[in-house]
Amino acid sequence: AQSVTQLDSQVPVFEEAPVELRCNYSSSVSVYLFWYVQYPNQGLQLLLKYLSGSTLVKGINGFEAEFNKSQTSFHLRKPSVHISDTAEYFCAVSDRGRGGGFKTIFGAGTRLFVKA
Amino acid sequence: DVKVTQSSRYLVKRTGEKVFLECVQDMDHENMFWYRQDPGLGLRLIYFSYDVKMKEKGDIPEGYSVSREKKERFSLILESASTNQTSMYLCASSPGTDSGGGEQYFGPGTRLTVT
Repeated sequence: AQSVTQLDSQVPVFEEAPVELRCNYSSSVSVYLFWYVQYPNQGLQLLLKYLSGSTLVKGINGFEAEFNKSQTSFHLRKPSVHISDTAEYFCAVSDRGRGGGFKTIFGAGTRLFVKA
Repeated sequence: DVKVTQSSRYLVKRTGEKVFLECVQDMDHENMFWYRQDPGLGLRLIYFSYDVKMKEKGDIPEGYSVSREKKERFSLILESASTNQTSMYLCASSPGTDSGGGEQYFGPGTRLTVT
């Protein structure tokens, strides 16, 4: 069975500092990995995804993530954060469920708080 | 751009009322989902649908039902609302199984309060 663990519930960081949001997953089959961002009072939007190929994935707003199969991790990074990056970030894993469709599991979320 | 719309941003209902939450997507996606989001618990899947008139239970279906009469519309129904159903409800859609690895597109959410 799939599971997703986001290791930090909150991450406070100063503006222009680097940040890493950690995500570990477990799955018995090949998976696809995602990071979504949720700004206050909005739905989730896709930040980046790993389907196959290069393990370093670049997304919107300067974020990137690295898929590490041996450590079953998909950590999200940004070299220099802005106040506008303050949001909640969700890691997600999907694989093909019964019936052929994708089944997606979301982590509990990490609240990134960028301070001036 | 894919657009997923939800009928209400905020809703206040009384215990025992029947509640309808509507979701519409405009990209001809086969798959649609209803989640509830609670602090510290992330998103939990209530129901999903892979096709018109098709529905499957997610992880927490108790107290909910759904309807999908048209491809673009997926409705969540609370037959008799209870206070423990106070939550943020998120609708999402995704293309068919050969696209995107299951990437989902979300609506803005409905914050439901049951008093």
